[in-house]
Amino acid sequence: GAVVSQHPSRVICKSGTSVKIECRSLDFQATTMFWYRQFPKKSLMLMATSNEGSKATYEQGVEKDKFLINHASLTLSTLTVTSAHPEDSSFYICSARAGSSPLHFGNGTRLTVT
Amino acid sequence: GENVEQHPSTLSVQEGDSAVIKCTYSDSASNYFPWYKQELGKRPQLIIDIRSNVGEKKDQRIAVTLNKTAKHFSLHITETQPEDSAVYFCAASFWDSNYQLIWGAGTKLIIKP
Repeated sequence: GAVVSQHPSRVICKSGTSVKIECRSLDFQATTMFWYRQFPKKSLMLMATSNEGSKATYEQGVEKDKFLINHASLTLSTLTVTSAHPEDSSFYICSARAGSSPLHFGNGTRLTVT
Repeated sequence: GENVEQHPSTLSVQEGDSAVIKCTYSDSASNYFPWYKQELGKRPQLIIDIRSNVGEKKDQRIAVTLNKTAKHFSLHITETQPEDSAVYFCAASFWDSNYQLIWGAGTKLIIKP
């Protein structure tokens, strides 16, 4: 079945540094990728929708300059958390879709900013 | 825009009993309703989905029912087992080229031995 690989699974960084999270579709071409943030015991919060070759569409309240999304190819999207702060600590999950297929999720990245 | 409400937030059932989780949606244009299971610290996994052209879909112990008129859909798990313990999310979407899911708040299902 379709596989989405997300790396790293865990990252700890110091406040003020930037962190890049990669999301790859391993066996299909993802026309659309989504990035979510999930707080403990809460639902997934959509941050942005990313279409290959075009700028990401950010949800209201999500700072596009802080959460940089790049979808350079049909198999790779990256989320960069710039100048991370402790309040950015969270679980970030990507998902990908090819055409009209269901969504497939990455394993998520646990970000801890100290 | 679409809004999805999910109840209950926590559900505790005896092993072997059935569990039912309910969701309502607001946008009558929504036509795709998946259910995801998420274990702690792991990715959501699609367990079953239903399109608006059918009223019920079943896969072994799991079934989903959809009432388009009332705009609600439910997840039914029969003969529950300890491994069914997880958080379950419903979602609604209009099945277009962008396919953005609107998520319910989640239900923590606890299976008591």
